[in-house]
Amino acid sequence: DQQVKQNSPSLSVQEGRISILNCDYTNSMFDYFLWYKKYPAEGPTFLISISSIKDKNEDGRFTVFLNKSAKHLSLHIVPSQPGDSAVYFCAAHRGGDKVIFGPGTSLSVIP
Amino acid sequence: NAGVMQNPRHLVRRRGQEARLRCSPMKGHSHVYWYRQLPEEGLKFMVYLQKENIIDESGMPKERFSAEFPKEGPSILRIQQVVRGDSAAYFCASSRVGTSVSYNEQFFGPGTRLTVL
Repeated sequence: DQQVKQNSPSLSVQEGRISILNCDYTNSMFDYFLWYKKYPAEGPTFLISISSIKDKNEDGRFTVFLNKSAKHLSLHIVPSQPGDSAVYFCAAHRGGDKVIFGPGTSLSVIP
Repeated sequence: NAGVMQNPRHLVRRRGQEARLRCSPMKGHSHVYWYRQLPEEGLKFMVYLQKENIIDESGMPKERFSAEFPKEGPSILRIQQVVRGDSAAYFCASSRVGTSVSYNEQFFGPGTRLTVL
């Protein structure tokens, strides 16, 4: 039973446009959500996080939105750059429990 | 400031052999996590360790897999009598604080790619 879902395995976006990566979760007890970015042959790197008490967190070109009633979060990248091409993992955890990762979405930013 | 180190980066084993994967956490980190990524899948939690203690091994297969994090030296993930289905990328992550606090940022190593022939 997948508690964190990323239903789009891949996404292609033109350079300069907005990339929107979506994530759904089933466990209403999660209280922290994280996004990790992964390049081929490298480990994931932390990108941005959001607490369940917030609905938005912004860091430069990256913004994460959380809709708790819909159990949905999204990562917005504006403007998208070719270097953003990577696999993005959504992850979630409840304080005191392990981090659960989604299956990932592969983003391609086309120059 | 060295990050999380994993070695070897690539490991090839024949069925029935043992695989030993090593992970050195970031300086100042005393919490280690092991994940497995099968082809076309996300990261699956395997085990969470602190120095000399296994805190959560709920994601670890009951047989053939074991993990340790000794007082001195790296964390070791050991797979005995490997089978083809063990072929995967194994990632180690470390954190300064454990999952007992609300926010747990983990830093990942580059992974070990295990291929079982």
